[in-house]
Amino acid sequence: EAGVAQSPRYKIIEKRQSVAFWCNPISGHATLYWYQQILGQGPKLLIQFQNNGVVDDSQLPKDRFSAERLKGVDSTLKIQPAKLEDSAVYLCASTTGVGGGSPLHFGNGTRLTVT
Amino acid sequence: DAKTTQPNSMESNEEEPVHLPCNHSTISGTDYIHWYRQLPSQGPEYVIHGLTSNVNNRMASLAIAEDRKSSTLILHRATLRDAAVYYCILRAVNTGNQFYFGTGTSLTVIP
Repeated sequence: EAGVAQSPRYKIIEKRQSVAFWCNPISGHATLYWYQQILGQGPKLLIQFQNNGVVDDSQLPKDRFSAERLKGVDSTLKIQPAKLEDSAVYLCASTTGVGGGSPLHFGNGTRLTVT
Repeated sequence: DAKTTQPNSMESNEEEPVHLPCNHSTISGTDYIHWYRQLPSQGPEYVIHGLTSNVNNRMASLAIAEDRKSSTLILHRATLRDAAVYYCILRAVNTGNQFYFGTGTSLTVIP
């Protein structure tokens, strides 16, 4: 099966600019997650979707970050305006559903550098 | 939010077994224990998961303590390709199925 697709692979922007990341999960995967991974740290959950509804966005900085999953398939994560501390790898992951044994499948991420 | 505690780093000689420990003393009865590993410049990769019983698959074995407050990932013969950061995660089924990552264990395999 095709894996989780993310684009772009790399992005460099200046602070105060906006940026968007795209994720296409594995076909049929109802649950989608966005994570932020700062260098040297574990991934931090930003938002979780179940189909096109938000399950958890408690750690999403909503003053500058937004995410959507229209039609319950692809998802977009946006940052506007970006800050230096947003430099990180943004990972998208998906899983089949709500069963505790369903593994997460990750994309290779988008590496964002804010200058 | 991490809920798990792991050593920051471990070393192993090539072709020897590796035991990676994880403490999760606040685990609830419905939390699943998942292990993932992350190679440089890649997203995390699923390794194994379990609920109560020990589990084996082609990649590794998972040993879960009887009280479920700790677990151990076992790589039976470490290879250079096993050098990665290993994450132990609790999947909280009853509170939304979030996966919260900690800081993980960086495994170095010595040739």
